[in-house]
Amino acid sequence: AQSVTQPDIHITVSEGASLELRCNYSYGATPYLFWYVQSPGQGLQLLLKYFSGDTLVQGIKGFEAEFKRSQSSFNLRKPSVHWSDAAEYFCAVHNTNAGKSTFGDGTTLTVKP
Amino acid sequence: EAGVTQFPSHSVIEKGQTVTLRCDPISGHDNLYWYRRVMGKEIKFLLHFVKESKQDESGMPNNRFLAERTGGTYSTLKVQPAELEDSGVYFCASSRYETSGGTGTQYFGPGTRLTVL
Repeated sequence: AQSVTQPDIHITVSEGASLELRCNYSYGATPYLFWYVQSPGQGLQLLLKYFSGDTLVQGIKGFEAEFKRSQSSFNLRKPSVHWSDAAEYFCAVHNTNAGKSTFGDGTTLTVKP
Repeated sequence: EAGVTQFPSHSVIEKGQTVTLRCDPISGHDNLYWYRRVMGKEIKFLLHFVKESKQDESGMPNNRFLAERTGGTYSTLKVQPAELEDSGVYFCASSRYETSGGTGTQYFGPGTRLTVL
């Protein structure tokens, strides 16, 4: 069965500092991987996705993620965090045969001034 | 293009009452999904419609939950009778129909926050 682990429940970084949110997945085939962000009072917004090809994918808001098959990871990064990035971030793997996504528990990001 | 919309945004009901959540997918999206996040845990799959047909309802918790998608447009999720453990945020998502091997990009609505007292 597919699963997603986000080891960090809560991360705090200073504004301007770099950020890395970890995501590990378990999936039997080539995974389709996603990162979503949920700001307070908002829905889930797609940040980026990986299907195939270049393992470093660029997303919106200056985010990027790197797919590492050997480590079963898809970590999200941003070189310089802005206060508006404070939100909850979800990693997900999509099962194209079953037509559903499996999410991690989410990581809450706090940005210090 | 309008996004996925959900109504209501919040609902507070008492145990034993009935609540109906509504989701309007993006126009032209045949796939419609319901997910739920309970008590700050992971977002869990409930069910998947392809047009008006239930493709997969393996995530539905029990028979107190009933989802419909008449005409293949909007969907409703009814909880009857509601229990305390049903509290959480219910998300709806939609995507275009793709043949096998499709990328599965889903577009999510803002969610309905359900509180059962």
